[in-house]
Parts: sequence; structure tokens; C-alpha cells
Amino acid sequence: GAVVSQHPSWVICKSGTSVKIECRSLDFQATTMFWYRQFPKQSLMLMATSNEGSKATYEQGVEKDKFLINHASLTLSTLTVTSAHPEDSSFYICSARAGSGRADTQYFGPGTRLTVL
Amino acid sequence: AQSVAQPEDQVNVAEGNPLTVKCTYSVSGNPYLFWYVQYPNRGLQFLLKYITGDNLVKGSYGFEAEFNKSQTSFHLKKPSALVSDSALYFCAVRVPSWGNTPLVFGKGTRLSVIA
Repeated sequence: GAVVSQHPSWVICKSGTSVKIECRSLDFQATTMFWYRQFPKQSLMLMATSNEGSKATYEQGVEKDKFLINHASLTLSTLTVTSAHPEDSSFYICSARAGSGRADTQYFGPGTRLTVL
Repeated sequence: AQSVAQPEDQVNVAEGNPLTVKCTYSVSGNPYLFWYVQYPNRGLQFLLKYITGDNLVKGSYGFEAEFNKSQTSFHLKKPSALVSDSALYFCAVRVPSWGNTPLVFGKGTRLSVIA
């Protein structure tokens, strides 16, 4: 089946630093990637949608200057949390979809747990 | 706007018994429905999806789900639960349009299978 990887799986950083999270589709080309955030015992909150080679579309309330998304190729998207603060601590999950058909399945990465001290 | 409701935060079932995790949806047009499972500190794993055709959809690990248009439901079922099925289950819907529309998730239901 389709595999999506994320790196790192967890990261601890100091307040004010930036953290980059990578999302890769390993065995398929992802025309669209999504970034989600999940708080403890809650559902996934969509942060942004990105297409290869174009700017990401951010959901309302998500700061695009804080959460930088780059979808440089059909197999790689990155999320950079800039000037991280403790409230940015969360579980970040990426998702990738091949094609643009209505029936296409989204496949999810294993997630990255970010802890900002 | 589309939405998904999972009315139960927690479902407890004894090992070997049948399990049901409920999901109802609200969309305009024909929905595309999905079930995912999440184990602790992990991403979501795809279980099954309904797009069109047979209302009973079979998926991974012995799970199945039945699409019921009149009741706008897509309940997840398994005939005999295993302890290893204990996890967080998410129902999701996608609007019936082309393009990059993302999945909309329910809040999740935690399944606990007791030995």
C-alpha cells in the first residue's frame, strides 16, 4: 500500500527556534499534501493544503508566516514552525494524496511530536 | 458545508463480541466516506472507503462498514473484536467535487476491547 513517512518522529526545541518537519510519499507521487495538527484526545485539525510547485492554502486561523509549507516535489513537503513557542507543542501529521480524483485516498504519515520548552 | 458526527467518545466491548463504531454525516450530494484507525502516538491508517456501488464495504483487519443513505450513516463493524483492535477510530467525509478538497474528520471514537 501507499506509504508516507515523516521525519523526525519527535523533536524537542527551545522557545524561539525554528523546526522543520519533512513529509515524504515513498511509493507514489503526491500531487496534494495536507498538514494536520492534533491536540491530545482531539480530532485532526487541518492546517493547510499544498500542491506541488504552488503556494499552500491555509485554513482560517492558521498563520502562514509561522507555519511555512513547501511542496517542492511530488514526493516531498516540508512544514517549518518558525519562532516556536510552547503553545505550538502538538502532534503534527501530514497526509498525501495521489491524483485529484474524487475517490483518491489520503494516506497519512506517522506524525511528529513537537515539544517546545 | 460537510460534517461528520461520531456520537460516542468511547466504546467498550468484550473480546470475541461484535463491535460497532457509529458515524453519521451531512454533505450536499453524494458523499465519499472513509474510516481510519490511529494507534497511540502514530498517524492514521486507512481502513476502508465507500465511493459508490455495494453499500457494504470490506476493509483491512476484518473491518467492514455499511453505507446507509436514508439514515446518512456509515457505521464501522467487526464480527469478532480483538484486544489489538483497541485504538482511536476516525470517520471522515470528502465533498463530492474534483480538486484538492481535504477530508473532514469526526472527533474520533476510542475503542477498548477487553479480554
